[in-house]
Amino acid sequence: DVKVTQSSRYLVKRTGEKVFLECVQDMDHENMFWYRQDPGLGLRLIYFSYDVKMKEKGDIPEGYSVSREKKERFSLILESASTNQTSMYLCASRRQGISGNTIYFGEGSWLTVV
Amino acid sequence: AQSVAQPEDQVNVAEGNPLTVKCTYSVSGNPYLFWYVQYPNRGLQFLLKYITGDNLVKGSYGFEAEFNKSQTSFHLKKPSALVSDSALYFCAVTRHGISSGSARQLTFGSGTQLTVLP
Repeated sequence: DVKVTQSSRYLVKRTGEKVFLECVQDMDHENMFWYRQDPGLGLRLIYFSYDVKMKEKGDIPEGYSVSREKKERFSLILESASTNQTSMYLCASRRQGISGNTIYFGEGSWLTVV
Repeated sequence: AQSVAQPEDQVNVAEGNPLTVKCTYSVSGNPYLFWYVQYPNRGLQFLLKYITGDNLVKGSYGFEAEFNKSQTSFHLKKPSALVSDSALYFCAVTRHGISSGSARQLTFGSGTQLTVLP
């Protein structure tokens, strides 16, 4: 079975803190994603990595950065957390190839910035 | 630009009745279409997808979806709803002819909350 693991399910951080959200997949997928999900706004793409050390900005990259040093791991970094980054963050992965390949999601990380 | 519309924010259905969650799309060329389900405080789970071929696609948990090219729709259906089907459902679209190296080409709908009443 496909497995995308987000190690932190619930986090509470203070404004200005640096936050790391970690994601690991065990399918040897080339593509990995970070989305943000907010009520009424659906899923919004923050960053995408199409292979190790490769990344592409999504629709809302401001305030975020990413790291992909190993194929199985994709980290989302909030350099200085702000209250408007309180949200649910979803990591996902997909095999490289046609755009119809299925994207598999992790369980999500709920981040509250106070 | 491509888009997905889920015209109903909320769908209520009685247990045992058939359910339909609607999705229409707009894309240049031939689409790939997906349905995902999200249970409370969980990530999205893949239900089914249309790539090509038979317009009726069968997926997990007894769900199916029908691709209708002329109406640009991909409605999700189940013959007999269960209370445990209550969840948030997302439709997504991308198109043939592009590599998966560009994530921007995948577009999600805003989601439909399905409530199955006992």
